[in-house]
Amino acid sequence: QVQLQESGPGLVKPSDTLSLNCSVSGGSIINYYWSWIRQPPGKGLEYIGYISYSGSTNYNPSLKSRVTLSVDTSRDQFSLKLDSVTAADTAVYYCARGKRGYMHVFDYWGQGILATVSS
Amino acid sequence: DIQMTQSPPSLSASVGDRVTITCRASQSISNYLNWYQQKAGKAPKLLIYGASNLHSGVPSRFIGSGSGTDFTLTISSLQPEDFVTYYCQQSHSFPGTFGQGTKVEV
Repeated sequence: QVQLQESGPGLVKPSDTLSLNCSVSGGSIINYYWSWIRQPPGKGLEYIGYISYSGSTNYNPSLKSRVTLSVDTSRDQFSLKLDSVTAADTAVYYCARGKRGYMHVFDYWGQGILATVSS
Repeated sequence: DIQMTQSPPSLSASVGDRVTITCRASQSISNYLNWYQQKAGKAPKLLIYGASNLHSGVPSRFIGSGSGTDFTLTISSLQPEDFVTYYCQQSHSFPGTFGQGTKVEV
């Protein structure tokens, strides 16, 4: 059974960089696309971007100037960096796997991690 | 971005009821429409992909239909664990935008 687990600081100061990791277990990171999705408290879901196992990326234009995704296949991990955060970036951040053959359909999700931007 | 509009935002129903949630895309997305279920405090779970394909392990009471711009999720007989929030998502164009959600309440 594939499992994803987000990790990182729960509190980030305004203008700092939010850094999160997602560890994949129970399956290989190879041959899949891996995504980040976020959900502000009480609100809907926003697709941040994806990275392939080989490192190709695509970012939501609304966040493109501030987002960087990376992947470490040797450790079955991928990561998110979001620069210059503000209170509007406070959200639960989910990592997810793109279903094979349907890269933007998310069949496995992490439990989510709440990242709060506050001084 | 393609805008996804779900209706209603919430609905009241009872166990055993048949309920339908609709999702409309701002432009044609063929059948690139997915449905997720989210329980409070938990990650979303995939129910249906490609408008009508049931994801592995999902009960058959969940039925998806539609193409083009108009889609529906029908729950044929509500069970107690189905009183949660449902989201549609288009996977036709990046970024795969989500609807605002529909909360199914008792």
